Amino acid sequence: DGGITQSPKYLFRKEGQNVTLSCEQNLNHDAMYWYRQDPGQGLRLIYYSQIVNDFQKGDIAEGYSVSREKKESFPLTVTSAQKNPTAFYLCASSYYASGSSDTQYFGPGTRLTVL
Amino acid sequence: DQQVKQNSPSLSVQEGRISILNCDYTNSMFDYFLWYKKYPAEGPTFLISISSIKDKNEDGRFTVFLNKSAKHLSLHIVPSQPGDSAVYFCAASARGRDDKIIFGKGTRLHILP
Repeated sequence: DGGITQSPKYLFRKEGQNVTLSCEQNLNHDAMYWYRQDPGQGLRLIYYSQIVNDFQKGDIAEGYSVSREKKESFPLTVTSAQKNPTAFYLCASSYYASGSSDTQYFGPGTRLTVL
Repeated sequence: DQQVKQNSPSLSVQEGRISILNCDYTNSMFDYFLWYKKYPAEGPTFLISISSIKDKNEDGRFTVFLNKSAKHLSLHIVPSQPGDSAVYFCAASARGRDDKIIFGKGTRLHILP
């Protein structure tokens, strides 16, 4: 089955701890994205990567870090510097060619709660 | 500054009738538009898209209309079914210029029995 997986579904952490959210895809997509959703808000872009070993900041990158060592994987680390980390985090992927991304497909999301 | 606006936070429609969800955008560089459907605690699922070279795209019960001069698009669902109750996000991008997809804040659709 092809798709995007995010784990875990629910994650709890103490304030001040870093936490890494997993995102894996087997769709052979080139580009991967991380979004954050807060109640009553749309999806806001945190980081994105169009090719392996390269990534760019989105609109709300402060307090987050990413890596793209493999095409299939794009983990997101929520650091202690992120002021409001409690949110629903969504990973997405798409094909990318000729400087243009295709439709993005989303994983099931991870709900992070910082206590 | 919101580049993609969904001005109706919620909408209630009788089962079997037509649901019309609206979306406005401000960036004239947008050339690709998408609609996503989202259930609580799940990731959005792609519904339908339209390129700026078209003014209509249809897929089963879903039709998206694009009015470039008004910078407006709409999603029509007909007939509406109970499973259509969800949050619908409008999104837009300027392909080849900036690969970011900009999302609206969503409209919650309630299908009434």
